[in-house]
Amino acid sequence: DTEVTQTPKHLVMGMTNKKSLKCEQHMGHRAMYWYKQKAKKPPELMFVYSYEKLSINESVPSRFSPECPNSSLLNLHLHALQPEDSALYLCASSQTPPEAESYEQYFGPGTRLTVT
Amino acid sequence: GENVEQHPSTLSVQEGDSAVIKCTYSDSASNYFPWYKQELGKGPQLIIDIRSNVGEKKDQRIAVTLNKTAKHFSLHITETQPEDSAVYFCAAASMNYGGATNKLIFGTGTLLAVQP
Repeated sequence: DTEVTQTPKHLVMGMTNKKSLKCEQHMGHRAMYWYKQKAKKPPELMFVYSYEKLSINESVPSRFSPECPNSSLLNLHLHALQPEDSALYLCASSQTPPEAESYEQYFGPGTRLTVT
Repeated sequence: GENVEQHPSTLSVQEGDSAVIKCTYSDSASNYFPWYKQELGKGPQLIIDIRSNVGEKKDQRIAVTLNKTAKHFSLHITETQPEDSAVYFCAAASMNYGGATNKLIFGTGTLLAVQP
């Protein structure tokens, strides 16, 4: 099973709202990722968690707050977003190098976020 | 840092023909090269990958070739079918990056249309 699940599928929020995106995997992967993807563009890395600790923050604004409660779950808390933050938010997971047997990174279906 | 260029940006072929998508990378430390297929409204799906110690890899109608000297890698799809229509992304990563995680750098994507 190589499934990464994300909820909700769609989210519409106002600029003053607080919402959260959720991601789950049961592949035993200890690296989890958040990406942002705008239309007709490749995914852009936002955050990486390795063994439940934040290892990479690609200079993402503080209105995006990631959380990794355990090895299977990843959340992205959203607050005071701007209309330009509207995008597809993708979660992914992988084994962790250098001990990984597989380098494969698997993506979820994404959450389509619209900020009004 | 790593930069990945991808060509062409759009590709239209007749059903049954072959399709080739090419990528170049800049960082000689990159050693892992996956290809993703993204259908409309879905997350990227890993379809094939290659490591730098291998020159070619094939999986049914899909093959990937790597030329480390020229820093080129290519995706080859034979006997194309309408269901192959999607956006294809190449990516590159150095699995020694930070010693902790797999940071993918994506190409800009190729929209493949297979005409029945």
